[in-house]
Amino acid sequence: DGGITQSPKYLFRKEGQNVTLSCEQNLNHDAMYWYRQDPGQGLRLIYYSQIVNDFQKGDIAEGYSVSREKKESFPLTVTSAQKNPTAFYLCASSNTGNSIVRNTEAFFGQGTRLTVV
Amino acid sequence: AQSVTQLGSHVSVSEGALVLLRCNYSSSVPPYLFWYVQYPNQGLQLLLKYTTGATLVKGINGFEAEFKKSETSFHLTKPSAHMSDAAEYFCAFSGNTPLVFGKGTRLSVIA
Repeated sequence: DGGITQSPKYLFRKEGQNVTLSCEQNLNHDAMYWYRQDPGQGLRLIYYSQIVNDFQKGDIAEGYSVSREKKESFPLTVTSAQKNPTAFYLCASSNTGNSIVRNTEAFFGQGTRLTVV
Repeated sequence: AQSVTQLGSHVSVSEGALVLLRCNYSSSVPPYLFWYVQYPNQGLQLLLKYTTGATLVKGINGFEAEFKKSETSFHLTKPSAHMSDAAEYFCAFSGNTPLVFGKGTRLSVIA
């Protein structure tokens, strides 16, 4: 079945440690996105990528980094510079070609819950 | 600036009662609008979307929404609530950027 796979489902990070969240899709979608979800704040965009080897910062990119070496994969690294990383992270993809087609919905993975210990 | 506002962070209804979740948007371009549902510790699932054409949009699980340009609204309704409808609902807007989400409305259904 086609879909988006995020791993791990739960992740624990020590203070000062970098961690990488995995996102893989087999929907053949060009665009991929990372959102952060906090209670009562909805979803906020961290980074997005419309094509391989290209990505743009979203609203809350500070303390995060991404790469897009393959169409299917868009990993997110939460660096030690992110002071409050505890949150639920959602990866999404959409079939937008080389531009963001506005009528195309995004498909979401099941999320990764990151906790700082 | 483009934005989405969901009125009410928590809505509670009795089983069998009407569900009404409110969403207003602000945009300088014609909007494309979406409603998503999220169950605990899961990703988001698309309920319905408005792009162009008919302003009354029907979605999955008996939900529908009406786009009203004059009111800049896209409220979600369901005639009769079911216990399985308890979840968090997000309105989203697509302008010339990736999806922008409202803060969500948590729906509780009382037996």
